[in-house]
Amino acid sequence: EILMTQSPATLSVSPGERATLSCRASQSVYNNLAWYQQKPGQAPRLLIYGASTRATGIPARFSGSGSGTEFTLTISSLQSEDFAVYYCQHYNDWPLIFGGGTKVDIK
Amino acid sequence: QVQLVESGGGVVQPGRSLRLSCTASGFSFNRHAMHWVRQAPGKGLQWVAVISYDGYNEYYTDSVKGRFTISRDNFKNTLYLQMISMRPEDTAVYYCARGNSVRVWMDVWGQGTTVTVS
Repeated sequence: EILMTQSPATLSVSPGERATLSCRASQSVYNNLAWYQQKPGQAPRLLIYGASTRATGIPARFSGSGSGTEFTLTISSLQSEDFAVYYCQHYNDWPLIFGGGTKVDIK
Repeated sequence: QVQLVESGGGVVQPGRSLRLSCTASGFSFNRHAMHWVRQAPGKGLQWVAVISYDGYNEYYTDSVKGRFTISRDNFKNTLYLQMISMRPEDTAVYYCARGNSVRVWMDVWGQGTTVTVS
């Protein structure tokens, strides 16, 4: 089983600042990685797939990078609606695994 | 619009059974793989199972193998999750989600249904 580790667990950021979230896989998942956003009481929303491709309707301030075992989600200028929990997920092999999440809150 | 609506959640005693449903609308259900993902209270996301667009292929996380069965009815645009021998650790919000194939990302999610085993 490929394990996914996200860091930090919590990231405190001021509105307008840049946020950088990390996701590490225990072995290579190539570019088979997605990122999701989840707000309290809501279902997750797909942000990024293929490590760097934005899903339909996702603003350009969200970008993904990386391959192999190291991945990054960057939010270039945080808006109020971006404060949420973010999960990475690999789909390279079975079982599909989510990372533990990074909570982005207001500094 | 594209929509997934889960139902069937509730409170069930340990060892008993429950069946969840997920009704799809706004897209060609029979062209998409479908997943179940759960989230225990205050915890992260855990992928549970997936079924291929035609129902011929199924995959499960280890902790539910032999207890949960995913199925679909493409005439009714409905996905199911039959859960037997339920355990307290199955307590979670259960989401259904759409995938283009069995081993890819999930691009559309339902609002979830809550299952409590107690």
